[in-house]
Amino acid sequence: AQSVTQLDSQVPVFEEAPVELRCNYSSSVSVYLFWYVQYPNQGLQLLLKYLSGSTLVESINGFEAEFNKSQTSFHLRKPSVHISDTAEYFCAVSDSNAGGTSYGKLTFGQGTILTVHP
Amino acid sequence: DAGITQSPRHKVTETGTPVTLRCHQTENHRYMYWYRQDPGHGLRLIHYSYGVKDTDKGEVSDGYSVSRSKTEDFLLTLESATSSQTSVYFCAIRLDSRGREQFFGPGTRLTVL
Repeated sequence: AQSVTQLDSQVPVFEEAPVELRCNYSSSVSVYLFWYVQYPNQGLQLLLKYLSGSTLVESINGFEAEFNKSQTSFHLRKPSVHISDTAEYFCAVSDSNAGGTSYGKLTFGQGTILTVHP
Repeated sequence: DAGITQSPRHKVTETGTPVTLRCHQTENHRYMYWYRQDPGHGLRLIHYSYGVKDTDKGEVSDGYSVSRSKTEDFLLTLESATSSQTSVYFCAIRLDSRGREQFFGPGTRLTVL
């Protein structure tokens, strides 16, 4: 079984400040990792993903996340946030075993609400 | 947006009534999922499908059933709705590639009185 823990349920920051949203996972097998974002009253959108290769992955809007296998973490960071980044962010994990029977199921964390203040 | 629609988008119903939510995709992807979203719990998997007539239970399947008679449609049924099933329900599909990410529909807000 897999589990995901997002260590902060709410993170308030001021505009142009840096932010880190923390995510730790537990799994007995190799994993793929994802960050999704949900803007108010909308569905979930993929922000970035780690499948293999470089442990640092980036999104098109300035977010980045680093896969740390030894610490089983996949923290999300942005050096300077904008008001428009206000949203709820979800970390998720799936089994990376291509030949297994996980069927791509995702296990989500509880979510972190990022609120950016002017 | 992977062509996913959900219907209805909002529904209010009474305890004990059956409810069916529909997820429709236009791109013939094999894998489809139903999640529920509740504050403090993130998204939790209810049921999933890996092909026509191939479905299985997820983490929170009690009180729910699903059917997939066509590739494009995945139906979620609450046999006898309870207040604990008040939630936002999301359907998702997974692209048939190594990308492994899921794409989500717009959601259905269900209120059980």
